[in-house]
This record gives sequence, structure tokens and C-alpha cells, in this order.
Amino acid sequence: DAGITQSPRYKITETGRQVTLMCHQTWSHSYMFWYRQDLGHGLRLIYYSAAADITDKGEVPDGYVVSRSKTENFPLTLESATRSQTSVYFCASTGGTGANVLTFGAGSRLTVL
Amino acid sequence: GENVEQHPSTLSVQEGDSAVIKCTYSDSASNYFPWYKQELGKGPQLIIDIRSNVGEKKDQRIAVTLNKTAKHFSLHITETQPEDSAVYFCAASITADSWGKLQFGAGTQVVVTP
Repeated sequence: DAGITQSPRYKITETGRQVTLMCHQTWSHSYMFWYRQDLGHGLRLIYYSAAADITDKGEVPDGYVVSRSKTENFPLTLESATRSQTSVYFCASTGGTGANVLTFGAGSRLTVL
Repeated sequence: GENVEQHPSTLSVQEGDSAVIKCTYSDSASNYFPWYKQELGKGPQLIIDIRSNVGEKKDQRIAVTLNKTAKHFSLHITETQPEDSAVYFCAASITADSWGKLQFGAGTQVVVTP
């Protein structure tokens, strides 16, 4: 199916465990992003990527790692999950061709116990 | 860095009435201002956007206005319908032409009652 898909949609883990959230887009968009959504904060940018093998930090990058070996995939890894990382995570992409319209995935709800 | 404030946090309107949500931003370099609608359990969806070289934009029942001097922009929904009930987010580009790097407001929960 065309679009942007995230997996898993729901995840419960324990403090200290490693978790990877997957993001896949079928549009060959250059730019991909990870945002987290918390009540009262709207969405905050964690990391972004302008192209394969190019990534950069956003507003709240601590505790997260990203990679982008292929244009279509942009996984987000929590190397040692903490309770403060309990959140809803959204992946997004844009073509970057003069319009920076973001298209979001459906989100991954992560609970860290 | 950019800071976006959004008001009100909740808004209850009667079906058919208008709804207005207001946002302010801090960085004068911001030049792109989208509005997103988020329904329960879904990702945010773009409903309208405006660039800094335009003062107003309209799409059917939805309009956005931008005042660059005062650094504020507003979303106007006319003739509200129950399906307009959702959380609405304003956003501003972190820098000029920042390709999807956005600073979001905290959101407005809109409830349209029949």
C-alpha cells in the first residue's frame, strides 16, 4: 500500500530495554522525521533525515538513535528505554520540492513500565 | 529557538457556529504556517497552510489569517459540523524553508455539539 506506515502500533516495554520503532514510506520522499506527542506539548521533533545516510538532531534527541540506510526506511531506536519516553511517536515525510507539507504516519504508542 | 503558543486549549461550539483558534510565534524567520487536524487514534492531517508572503487563505469552510508584524496566525472554521470535532494543531517552520522541521502549538480540542 502506498503511504507511510509505522510499526508496531502499540508497544509495552520495561525500563532499560532497547526498543526500535519502524517507519516506511513508499513515495521516495527525501525528508523523514520523528516527532513525539505528549499532552500539553503538542509534537516535538526528535530527529530528522534529509536523505539516506544524512541525519540530524531535532529539539529532543537525547536517548534516541536513528539510521537511514535506505530512502524509504527511518527506524527510531531507544537504546535504554526510560519512563519519560512513554509517548506517542509519529513518523512523517515530505518531498522537499518547494513545499514542506508533512504527511504523518498513524503513530506508535509506546509505554515504558 | 522558535516557540509557538496556541489558544484556547479547549473549544466547545454549537453546530453551525464559527470556531477560531489563535497562535503566536516568536521567530521572525519562520515563513510557513500549517494547521493540522488530529482525530482520535490517528496521525495529524494537514488541513490548510499559509506562507509568509500571503495574509489570508481560504478553503471552503476553513480559513487562515497571518499577521507577520504581530507574529500571530489564526484558524477560522465556519458553519461547524460534528465531524469538525478533533484536536487542531498550529505549527511554524523552525527556520525559513526548514523542510518539515516544525514547532507545534500544544493543540486545541474542539468539540462541536449538535
